[in-house]
Amino acid sequence: NAGVTQTPKFQVLKTGQSMTLQCAQDMNHEYMSWYRQDPGMGLRLIHYSVGAGITDQGEVPNGYNVSRSTTEDFPLRLLSAAPSQTSVYFCASSSDPQGQSANEKLFFGSGTQLSVL
Amino acid sequence: SQKIEQNSEALNIQEGKTATLTCNYTNYSPAYLQWYRQDPGRGPVFLLLIRENEKEKRKERLKVTFDTTLKQSLFHITASQPADSATYLCALDIGWSFQKLVFGTGTRLLVSP
Repeated sequence: NAGVTQTPKFQVLKTGQSMTLQCAQDMNHEYMSWYRQDPGMGLRLIHYSVGAGITDQGEVPNGYNVSRSTTEDFPLRLLSAAPSQTSVYFCASSSDPQGQSANEKLFFGSGTQLSVL
Repeated sequence: SQKIEQNSEALNIQEGKTATLTCNYTNYSPAYLQWYRQDPGRGPVFLLLIRENEKEKRKERLKVTFDTTLKQSLFHITASQPADSATYLCALDIGWSFQKLVFGTGTRLLVSP
């Protein structure tokens, strides 16, 4: 299994451009999520999904859209990039949507480093 | 306000010693607490989970304690090795679901040979 795969690894955008960060997992996990990580701040939840067709907002959803048409894929869309969205983005998944099983844990991808100029 | 605090300064120790990292929180009543390891340029990797009714959890050279009265978790690495050098993150669940998993900023551990 490849686990959680994120593409691209690096991206530079100009203010106002749009793009999609891709995330795919091959573990048949129901739960998938997007976090951003900024210096001096912990990982912050952007959006999450507990199954195909179901998405919800996390702590910092503004400026981002998501959809979940399949179990495997959970893309993150930046509609109009802003310098404040410069960050490292991580996708994560889990087999346990509610985090209530004995083995709940998140599997993370290797991240996408995004710079918005 | 709700806050999770981990030492922002790096922890430097000698190989073979025990490393102790601290995670303090305020205004939360978590059902469980998790520890992750993060290497530069990589995503976090899950290490251990400890529940509110557990005082201590061990896994090989790792030990985690959880004191809900002090609102503190301690993460120990015994017989530390240079390969243990990384940033360690604690994460709290505050609502019995991952959508309410809140991460600390992490503590960087440097183990010198």
